[in-house]
Amino acid sequence: GQNIDQPTEMTATEGAIVQINCTYQTSGFNGLFWYQQHAGEAPTFLSYNVLDGLEEKGRFSSFLSRSKGYSYLLLKELQMKDSASYLCAVKPDSWGKLQFGAGTQVVVTP
Amino acid sequence: DTGVSQDPRHKITKRGQNVTFRCDPISEHNRLYWYRQTLGQGPEFLTYFQNEAQLEKSRLLSDRFSAERPKGSFSTLEIQRTEQGDSAMYLCASRQVISSYEQYFGPGTRLTVT
Repeated sequence: GQNIDQPTEMTATEGAIVQINCTYQTSGFNGLFWYQQHAGEAPTFLSYNVLDGLEEKGRFSSFLSRSKGYSYLLLKELQMKDSASYLCAVKPDSWGKLQFGAGTQVVVTP
Repeated sequence: DTGVSQDPRHKITKRGQNVTFRCDPISEHNRLYWYRQTLGQGPEFLTYFQNEAQLEKSRLLSDRFSAERPKGSFSTLEIQRTEQGDSAMYLCASRQVISSYEQYFGPGTRLTVT
């Protein structure tokens, strides 16, 4: 089967750091994406990893280990506006369709 | 606004009726994808087009569903004889294959079947 697993919900305090883990087992691998989705809105792109290692982009970083089928998204200096669902998605082939996890709801508290 | 647009944003219909949604991708994006998202879940792939050619359909796309992209620009997704299980957010995304790996999502059409 094909699975993309991530925690359902995480809570953190404003200004803190949160790490969202994603493990995947898919028929193929051609890249891993992280998207942010606020309630009732479209997913917006955060990061893309295709090679092992860390990609840093401002307050957001994403890590990939292809041998372990593992990725994480690191959110630093949390702000209230970061409260949203974070979706891990794998591109199994070069055609571009994405297989998404169920999303991790991050709740940022004052 | 040069992003992906979808119309309508909300649709309420009675079971058994047909509905059609429209997606206008970002200009010159040659790939167009349709996804379905239910509450608390991530988007599920339905189908995609390369220009006007429909290249893949998910097993989720029963024979009541049909999608077209007649001129390689906008796309329509039709659901015939709607069922309550069709209630979901239908998302469209587009991508320019050569220059970008990122899919840009539209705001979605929320379908409620009563």
